[in-house]
Amino acid sequence: DSGVTQTPKHLITATGQRVTLRCSPRSGDLSVYWYQQSLDQGLQFLIQYYNGEERAKGNILERFSAQQFPDLHSELNLSSLELGDSALYFCASSVYPHTDTQYFGPGTRLTVL
Amino acid sequence: KNQVEQSPQSLIILEGKNCTLQCNYTVSPFSNLRWYKQDTGRGPVSLTIMTFSENTKSNGRYTATLDADTKQSSLHITASQLSDSASYICDDYKLSFGAGTTVTVRA
Repeated sequence: DSGVTQTPKHLITATGQRVTLRCSPRSGDLSVYWYQQSLDQGLQFLIQYYNGEERAKGNILERFSAQQFPDLHSELNLSSLELGDSALYFCASSVYPHTDTQYFGPGTRLTVL
Repeated sequence: KNQVEQSPQSLIILEGKNCTLQCNYTVSPFSNLRWYKQDTGRGPVSLTIMTFSENTKSNGRYTATLDADTKQSSLHITASQLSDSASYICDDYKLSFGAGTTVTVRA
Protein backbone atom coordinates (compact mmCIF):
# COMPACT_ATOMS: atom_id res chain seq x y z
CA ASP A 1 0.00 0.00 0.00
CA SER A 2 1.60 3.25 -1.20
CA GLY A 3 -0.53 5.48 1.02
CA VAL A 4 -2.04 7.22 -2.01
CA THR A 5 -5.77 6.65 -2.40
CA GLN A 6 -7.84 7.05 -5.53
CA THR A 7 -11.58 6.89 -6.00
CA PRO A 8 -13.45 5.42 -7.67
CA LYS A 9 -11.62 2.23 -8.65
CA HIS A 10 -13.75 1.71 -11.71
CA LEU A 11 -15.90 4.07 -13.72
CA ILE A 12 -18.08 3.25 -16.70
CA THR A 13 -19.73 6.08 -18.56
CA ALA A 14 -20.92 7.14 -21.99
CA THR A 15 -19.39 9.37 -24.62
CA GLY A 16 -20.03 13.05 -24.07
CA GLN A 17 -20.28 12.70 -20.31
CA ARG A 18 -18.17 14.31 -17.59
CA VAL A 19 -16.47 12.52 -14.69
CA THR A 20 -14.35 13.48 -11.71
CA LEU A 21 -11.51 11.36 -10.37
CA ARG A 22 -10.26 11.94 -6.86
CA CYS A 23 -6.85 11.48 -5.30
CA SER A 24 -5.60 11.77 -1.73
CA PRO A 25 -1.80 11.96 -1.47
CA ARG A 26 0.35 10.35 1.18
CA SER A 27 0.41 12.20 4.45
CA GLY A 28 3.03 14.96 4.23
CA ASP A 29 3.36 14.90 0.45
CA LEU A 30 2.87 18.30 -1.16
CA SER A 31 3.15 17.37 -4.81
CA VAL A 32 0.49 15.52 -6.79
CA TYR A 33 0.81 14.16 -10.32
CA TRP A 34 -1.79 12.78 -12.73
CA TYR A 35 -1.02 10.20 -15.41
CA GLN A 36 -2.95 8.42 -18.12
CA GLN A 37 -2.07 4.88 -19.21
CA SER A 38 -3.84 3.40 -22.21
CA LEU A 39 -3.52 -0.22 -23.33
CA ASP A 40 -1.32 0.63 -26.27
CA GLN A 41 0.63 3.43 -24.64
CA GLY A 42 2.94 3.90 -21.71
CA LEU A 43 2.47 6.30 -18.86
CA GLN A 44 1.61 9.77 -20.11
CA PHE A 45 2.13 12.65 -17.71
CA LEU A 46 -0.87 14.94 -17.60
CA ILE A 47 -0.37 17.58 -14.92
CA GLN A 48 1.39 18.28 -11.63
CA TYR A 49 0.46 20.37 -8.62
CA TYR A 50 2.63 21.48 -5.76
CA ASN A 51 1.05 22.80 -2.59
CA GLY A 52 -2.07 23.93 -4.42
CA GLU A 53 -0.38 25.51 -7.40
CA GLU A 54 -0.05 24.09 -10.90
CA ARG A 55 3.62 23.23 -11.37
CA ALA A 56 3.91 21.47 -14.73
CA LYS A 57 1.71 20.45 -17.62
CA GLY A 58 2.16 17.49 -19.88
CA ASN A 59 -0.04 16.09 -22.61
CA ILE A 60 -3.29 17.15 -21.03
CA LEU A 61 -6.23 17.78 -23.33
CA GLU A 62 -8.24 20.98 -23.07
CA ARG A 63 -11.25 18.82 -22.14
CA PHE A 64 -9.38 17.77 -19.01
CA SER A 65 -8.74 19.94 -15.98
CA ALA A 66 -7.45 19.41 -12.48
CA GLN A 67 -6.96 21.17 -9.21
CA GLN A 68 -5.37 20.63 -5.83
CA PHE A 69 -7.33 21.74 -2.81
CA PRO A 70 -6.05 23.31 0.45
CA ASP A 71 -6.15 19.91 2.16
CA LEU A 72 -3.86 18.73 -0.69
CA HIS A 73 -6.26 16.24 -2.22
CA SER A 74 -6.65 16.59 -5.96
CA GLU A 75 -9.36 16.07 -8.54
CA LEU A 76 -9.07 15.38 -12.25
CA ASN A 77 -12.09 16.40 -14.30
CA LEU A 78 -12.65 14.81 -17.68
CA SER A 79 -15.39 16.24 -19.88
CA SER A 80 -16.92 15.57 -23.29
CA LEU A 81 -15.59 12.05 -22.97
CA GLU A 82 -14.58 10.11 -26.06
CA LEU A 83 -13.98 6.41 -26.57
CA GLY A 84 -10.24 7.10 -26.69
CA ASP A 85 -10.29 8.44 -23.15
CA SER A 86 -10.76 4.91 -21.84
CA ALA A 87 -7.65 4.23 -19.81
CA LEU A 88 -6.15 3.77 -16.38
CA TYR A 89 -5.67 7.08 -14.62
CA PHE A 90 -3.03 7.17 -11.93
CA CYS A 91 -2.34 9.72 -9.29
CA ALA A 92 1.07 9.91 -7.62
CA SER A 93 2.47 12.02 -4.84
CA SER A 94 5.85 13.08 -3.53
CA VAL A 95 7.18 15.49 -0.95
CA TYR A 96 8.98 17.69 -3.45
CA PRO A 97 8.67 17.79 -7.24
CA HIS A 98 11.18 16.17 -9.59
CA THR A 99 13.78 14.93 -7.14
CA ASP A 100 11.75 12.74 -4.85
CA THR A 101 10.38 9.24 -5.14
CA GLN A 102 6.84 9.27 -6.49
CA TYR A 103 4.29 7.01 -4.83
CA PHE A 104 1.52 5.87 -7.12
CA GLY A 105 -2.07 5.16 -6.22
CA PRO A 106 -3.93 2.05 -7.37
CA GLY A 107 -5.51 3.92 -10.29
CA THR A 108 -9.00 4.53 -11.62
CA ARG A 109 -10.03 2.45 -14.59
CA LEU A 110 -12.24 4.55 -16.86
CA THR A 111 -14.31 2.90 -19.55
CA VAL A 112 -16.14 5.11 -22.01
CA LEU A 113 -18.86 3.32 -23.99
CA LYS B 1 11.27 17.26 -26.51
CA ASN B 2 12.83 14.91 -23.97
CA GLN B 3 12.75 11.26 -24.94
CA VAL B 4 13.19 8.04 -23.06
CA GLU B 5 13.59 4.79 -24.95
CA GLN B 6 13.65 1.32 -23.44
CA SER B 7 14.79 -1.99 -24.79
CA PRO B 8 13.97 -4.73 -25.26
CA GLN B 9 10.21 -4.31 -25.52
CA SER B 10 9.75 -7.67 -23.83
CA LEU B 11 11.74 -10.66 -22.71
CA ILE B 12 11.20 -14.11 -21.27
CA ILE B 13 13.64 -15.68 -18.82
CA LEU B 14 13.76 -18.83 -16.74
CA GLU B 15 13.44 -18.59 -12.99
CA GLY B 16 16.80 -18.13 -11.37
CA LYS B 17 18.42 -16.51 -14.40
CA ASN B 18 19.63 -12.91 -14.69
CA CYS B 19 18.54 -10.24 -17.15
CA THR B 20 19.40 -6.65 -18.05
CA LEU B 21 17.05 -3.94 -19.23
CA GLN B 22 18.15 -0.78 -21.01
CA CYS B 23 16.98 2.82 -20.82
CA ASN B 24 18.31 5.63 -23.03
CA TYR B 25 17.43 9.23 -22.29
CA THR B 26 18.02 12.61 -23.92
CA VAL B 27 17.16 15.10 -21.17
CA SER B 28 19.76 17.78 -20.55
CA PRO B 29 20.84 18.92 -18.08
CA PHE B 30 20.49 15.69 -16.19
CA SER B 31 19.19 15.54 -12.63
CA ASN B 32 18.00 12.02 -11.97
CA LEU B 33 16.53 8.96 -13.62
CA ARG B 34 14.04 6.60 -12.02
CA TRP B 35 13.15 2.95 -12.44
CA TYR B 36 9.73 1.55 -11.58
CA LYS B 37 8.17 -1.91 -11.46
CA GLN B 38 4.54 -2.14 -12.53
CA ASP B 39 2.45 -5.25 -12.04
CA THR B 40 -0.43 -5.64 -14.47
CA GLY B 41 -3.32 -3.35 -13.59
CA ARG B 42 -1.55 -1.79 -10.63
CA GLY B 43 0.31 1.45 -9.99
CA PRO B 44 4.07 1.61 -10.60
CA VAL B 45 6.34 1.11 -7.61
CA SER B 46 9.64 2.93 -7.38
CA LEU B 47 12.73 0.70 -7.48
CA THR B 48 15.49 3.28 -7.49
CA ILE B 49 16.45 6.86 -8.30
CA MET B 50 19.80 7.40 -10.01
CA THR B 51 21.41 10.81 -9.57
CA PHE B 52 24.27 12.28 -11.56
CA SER B 53 26.91 11.26 -9.03
CA GLU B 54 25.81 7.63 -8.80
CA ASN B 55 27.11 4.95 -11.15
CA THR B 56 25.47 2.01 -9.43
CA LYS B 57 22.66 1.57 -6.94
CA SER B 58 21.13 -1.64 -5.64
CA ASN B 59 17.75 -2.48 -4.21
CA GLY B 60 17.77 -6.14 -3.25
CA ARG B 61 18.12 -8.19 -6.42
CA TYR B 62 17.72 -5.09 -8.58
CA THR B 63 20.83 -3.15 -9.55
CA ALA B 64 20.68 0.01 -11.63
CA THR B 65 23.65 1.57 -13.38
CA LEU B 66 24.03 4.97 -14.98
CA ASP B 67 26.41 6.19 -17.67
CA ALA B 68 25.91 9.94 -17.93
CA ASP B 69 28.33 10.21 -20.85
CA THR B 70 26.29 7.91 -23.08
CA LYS B 71 22.98 8.82 -21.42
CA GLN B 72 22.19 5.21 -20.71
CA SER B 73 20.91 3.39 -17.67
CA SER B 74 20.54 -0.33 -17.09
CA LEU B 75 18.48 -2.33 -14.65
CA HIS B 76 19.91 -5.74 -13.82
CA ILE B 77 17.71 -8.38 -12.21
CA THR B 78 19.66 -11.10 -10.43
CA ALA B 79 18.37 -14.62 -9.71
CA SER B 80 14.94 -13.86 -11.11
CA GLN B 81 11.81 -15.02 -9.34
CA LEU B 82 8.29 -15.57 -10.65
CA SER B 83 7.24 -12.41 -8.81
CA ASP B 84 9.60 -10.38 -10.99
CA SER B 85 7.17 -10.82 -13.89
CA ALA B 86 6.07 -7.24 -14.52
CA SER B 87 6.65 -4.19 -16.66
CA TYR B 88 9.73 -2.14 -15.84
CA ILE B 89 9.60 1.55 -16.66
CA CYS B 90 12.17 4.32 -16.51
CA ASP B 91 11.61 8.05 -16.54
CA ASP B 92 13.73 11.17 -16.53
CA TYR B 93 12.99 13.77 -13.89
CA LYS B 94 11.09 15.79 -16.49
CA LEU B 95 8.36 13.14 -16.38
CA SER B 96 9.06 11.59 -19.78
CA PHE B 97 8.47 7.86 -19.41
CA GLY B 98 9.72 5.03 -21.53
CA ALA B 99 7.27 2.52 -22.99
CA GLY B 100 8.56 -0.10 -20.58
CA THR B 101 10.02 -3.60 -20.83
CA THR B 102 7.71 -6.49 -20.05
CA VAL B 103 9.56 -9.25 -18.22
CA THR B 104 8.07 -12.72 -18.00
CA VAL B 105 9.75 -15.19 -15.66
CA ARG B 106 8.93 -18.85 -16.30
CA ALA B 107 9.41 -21.75 -13.93
